[in-house]
Formats: sequence, C-alpha cells, structure tokens
Amino acid sequence: RKEVEQDPGPFNVPEGATVAFNCTYSNSASQSFFWYRQDCRKEPKLLMSVYSSGNEDGRFTAQLNRASQYISLLIRDSKLSDSATYLCVVGPGTGNQFYFGTGTSLTVIP
Amino acid sequence: ETGVTQSPTHLIKTRGQQVTLRCSSQSGHNTVSWYQQALGQGPQFIFQYYREEENGRGNFPPRFSGLQFPNYSSELNVNALELDDSALYLCASSSLEEHEAFFGQGTRLTVV
Repeated sequence: RKEVEQDPGPFNVPEGATVAFNCTYSNSASQSFFWYRQDCRKEPKLLMSVYSSGNEDGRFTAQLNRASQYISLLIRDSKLSDSATYLCVVGPGTGNQFYFGTGTSLTVIP
Repeated sequence: ETGVTQSPTHLIKTRGQQVTLRCSSQSGHNTVSWYQQALGQGPQFIFQYYREEENGRGNFPPRFSGLQFPNYSSELNVNALELDDSALYLCASSSLEEHEAFFGQGTRLTVV
C-alpha cells in the first residue's frame, strides 16, 4: 500500500468554481502534513501546511482528519492561475523524509 | 524564490555513465534531502543529509550516493546510470526544527 494516495484527476473546472482534493495516508504516526503546488516542469512549491484544527489562506482551506487519516484541500473561486498539480505531502515530524502523493492535476477553464 | 539552487538544470548522459548533481541549501538550513520525480509521479525520497551525515535513506540502490559539505551544500552521485534513472532530481532544504521543506528548481536528467 502506498504511503500517500491521491486521486490523480484530472479535474477540469470553470473559473469561479469550488474544487476539493482529497488524500489519504497510511502511517498513523505521521506528524506533519502539507499541500504543495507544482507547475508543469517546475519544482514543487509549498502551498500550505495542514493542521488538525484546519487552516485557511485566502481562497484555500486545508483540513486534516487524523482518525480517518485523511487530508483535504478546498479551493474556492478558482482562477486560471490555479491550474497546476497539487501534491499531498506527509511527514513523520521534524526532519527526515516526506512522502508525496502522485499529485492531482487541476485545469481551470475560462 | 526559495534560495535553494541546483546545478545543472538539464543533463543528458548515456547508460553506464556516472553523474554528479549539486545543491546549495537555503541560508539557515542544515538539512538537505534529495528526491527523484519520474514523469507523472510524485517525488520519491532518495536520502537526507544532516550536518554532513546521512540521516535516512529511501528505497534506492547503493549506486545512489551523496555528500554534504560544511556549508550544508550537497551532492547526489549516481553511478552506472540506467535508462530508468531519467527523471527530475529535486533537492529540498530544511532544518530539523522546522517541518517545511523548500525545493530547488531541479535537475532534469535524461539517460540515453
């Protein structure tokens, strides 16, 4: 079983739509959780960390459910510039390796 | 910009050759991790270096090796290149005290 599983998509949504991505992880001892964004042929860039209490950054909301080992990312009012691959990332805590999902592809259509 | 730089940005090698990739970590970060990202996949952890010592290794063969220098920059060496080694190689800079990792722009390696 993979450490982190994501629906690869693709998700094609119109501008202004709300879209949600989900991710599950297998290691219940995981301590750190992130969403990264990766544009085509570029490096991943940190979008936001994910906390148990949930966190919001503008149009982006991330949620963590430790009991279900489930992470989500909600994007409201999608913009064309949101088109990218979104990577779910899980880590053991301080230091050491992160486990990446395969990424979910999003295309926002005019 | 993250302050993490990798060189070269692109590289073409033939099967059986050896390659060295380089990474300069972000100022204040003492930990460098290397990842391999094949086309259509998420990054896969190769290994991590902390204060010049290997601090964890993923499921990669011994022909993948690394170094970290006193200034925390790092090298990834791959011997006896195989076609399947063609990928984007990413270096991530972090500190053990912080959870977030910041990536360089990657080195795209093509083995022919």
